[in-house]
Amino acid sequence: DADVTQTPRNRITKTGKRIMLECSQTKGHDRMYWYRQDPGLGLRLIYYSFDVKDINKGEISDGYSVSRQAQAKFSLSLESAIPNQTALYFCATSAASTGKETQYFGPGTRLLVL
Amino acid sequence: AQKVTQAQTEISVVEKEDVTLDCVYETRDTTYYLFWYKQPPSGELVFLIRRNSFDEQNEISGRYSWNFQKSTSSFNFTITASQVVDSAVYFCALSGPLNTDKLIFGTGTRLQVFP
Repeated sequence: DADVTQTPRNRITKTGKRIMLECSQTKGHDRMYWYRQDPGLGLRLIYYSFDVKDINKGEISDGYSVSRQAQAKFSLSLESAIPNQTALYFCATSAASTGKETQYFGPGTRLLVL
Repeated sequence: AQKVTQAQTEISVVEKEDVTLDCVYETRDTTYYLFWYKQPPSGELVFLIRRNSFDEQNEISGRYSWNFQKSTSSFNFTITASQVVDSAVYFCALSGPLNTDKLIFGTGTRLQVFP
């Protein structure tokens, strides 16, 4: 089984709808992240969480919110989806030690906002 | 400001050719980490290597090798005797400011290996 799972893997929604992307991990890592990937732009950080009580904004957090329900679960919500949020979304995890541990990524969620 | 530049947008080679993917970074941190990830057509991101700023030794893993040069702020990736299965987008990334764990990604290089 995969260490980092994301659901759904693909999602089509309409402008204005609220949607949630979920991430679960079995790696036992404390730190979790949400990124989005757009063609030609690489990956950009949306939110990150160092533990259940610690959530931080990344470089492109506007229009998104997150919830860290447990050490192993980190959800990303789009309160009112808009077409320019169409992207590939990745969840990632890393261990909490020196602070520069490798981040391991989930398989991604392809989101299309019509 | 921290930045990663992958100037090669797309590279095409024929199987068995050697290919080098360039990565140039900018940072003011004295301690930092560099990473390479592979994104095959299926879309997932696969971790390839992590290198800290104090270790400038080149690393080889099978057909893959990495050349880290602090003097030129580069961390280049070479695939020897490329294979069709190497076709993917490759991302170079730099660790962000201390205590943030933020990864700063380059825009990626798409490698196509033709039979």
